[in-house]
Amino acid sequence: DTAVSQTPKYLVTQMGNDKSIKCEQNLGHDTMYWYKQDSKKFLKIMFSYNNKELIINETVPNRFSPKSPDKAHLNLHINSLELGDSAVYFCASSQDKEKPAEEAFFGQGTRLTVV
Amino acid sequence: AQKVTQAQTEISVVEKEDVTLDCVYETRDTTYYLFWYKQPPSGELVFLIRRNSFDEQNEISGRYSWNFQKSTSSFNFTITASQVVDSAVYFCALSEDPGNTPLVFGKGTRLSVIA
Repeated sequence: DTAVSQTPKYLVTQMGNDKSIKCEQNLGHDTMYWYKQDSKKFLKIMFSYNNKELIINETVPNRFSPKSPDKAHLNLHINSLELGDSAVYFCASSQDKEKPAEEAFFGQGTRLTVV
Repeated sequence: AQKVTQAQTEISVVEKEDVTLDCVYETRDTTYYLFWYKQPPSGELVFLIRRNSFDEQNEISGRYSWNFQKSTSSFNFTITASQVVDSAVYFCALSEDPGNTPLVFGKGTRLSVIA
């Protein structure tokens, strides 16, 4: 029944590794997002996809790449992980791309710890 | 700089009691947006409300109500006749330009409603 699901919930990995976080939504929404929430609770938009087309790309290092095999999935791949990548990453989806991203349905978050 | 303060770290109430969650914010901008999110034990973020700085009208949605007062920079959230399902962490957040600038979150208030 989960509307937006992310896996894994926790991810601990070493510097330099490549990792992926998966996100799936069963709401039939057209737009999906990735957010990074840092230790100060800032929630920053990283990417959004609308019908498999990237429509927002904030100043995110190119080590981060979103991959969307279909409109129900938006996976986040991270290359050469760095200590500063440690954060909680939230996936979200919304039906209306005109609505602010903050009114999306959020997943439970993935806590990434880079050691 | 923007800042959101939720002074109440944890609140416990007995079912059917009313409870108010405080939120005080700081910003130099005249235009800004305020949000409340609910994070139940399952972890996902649930959007509750968005209010822009030009709209000081209070809002009521079922058992939920919000009191926005620019004079005191507060955006408080009241749950009337609380229920066990209201138990969650509640976050207040602020953004100058939703979708383009980061959301600044408070540290959250953990609400426990006891049957």
